[in-house]
Amino acid sequence: DAGVIQSPRHEVTEMGQEVTLRCKPISGHNSLFWYRQTMMRGLELLIYFNNNVPIDDSGMPEDRFSAKMPNASFSTLKIQPSEPRDSAVYFCASRRLAGGTDTQYFGPGTRLTVL
Amino acid sequence: DAKTTQPPSMDCAEGRAANLPCNHSTISGNEYVYWYRQIHSQGPQYIIHGLKNNETNEMASLIITEDRKSSTLILPHATLRDTAVYYCIVRERDNYGQNFVFGPGTRLSVLP
Repeated sequence: DAGVIQSPRHEVTEMGQEVTLRCKPISGHNSLFWYRQTMMRGLELLIYFNNNVPIDDSGMPEDRFSAKMPNASFSTLKIQPSEPRDSAVYFCASRRLAGGTDTQYFGPGTRLTVL
Repeated sequence: DAKTTQPPSMDCAEGRAANLPCNHSTISGNEYVYWYRQIHSQGPQYIIHGLKNNETNEMASLIITEDRKSSTLILPHATLRDTAVYYCIVRERDNYGQNFVFGPGTRLSVLP
C-alpha cells in the first residue's frame, strides 16, 4: 500500500495567490482528515469527511479556506487568497470507519510558505 | 483541549529502554489511550493503543495503571531513529471518524 499521498510536498507562493493542496487517502479508507501544524499552535484539525461528506469543519480558520472530497480517492484543500500567516505544514490523514483499529494514517505533509 | 499531560522533553541512551509517561487523570471508562509519534518533517505515525490491559506490538509496549489515570509507553531498545515527538492521546473509539486532539507531546532525544 502506498499510504496517504499528498501533493505538492512543498509550495511557495505569494500573498494573494490561490493555493490548492491535494490528498489521496489509502484505498478502502472512508474517513479523511485535514490538519495544519505550526510551531505556535501545534497540530490542529481543520476539517474531516466521512464517506466523502464533510462532518466537522469547525477548525477551518476562515472563509478563505475550503475543502472538497468529490470521491473516495481524492480531496483538496484550497486557500484563496493566501496570506503569510497560512504558512504551515498541512497534513492529510485517512482511516477506515466501522472496524479496524480506529487508527489514522498520516501523509507526509505539504509545507506551504506564503511570502 | 488535550486531556493528557506529558513532560516536554526526555533523553535516553541508545540501546536502553525509553519510558515515556503520560497522565490522563480525567479519562472516562470508554476512552482509549493512543500513542503517536512524529519524526522531524514527517507525518505523525501510529504506535499503539489500549483501553485497560497492557499492550505490546512490534514497536512498543503500553503499560496502563490499574486506575487508568496514567500510562507509560516503553520503547525497549531505543535507537537514534526513535528520536521524535511522542503524543499521548485519549479519546473514545467510535465509528464516526472523530479527530484526535494532539497536545505538545514529549520530545524524546535518543543519544549515542
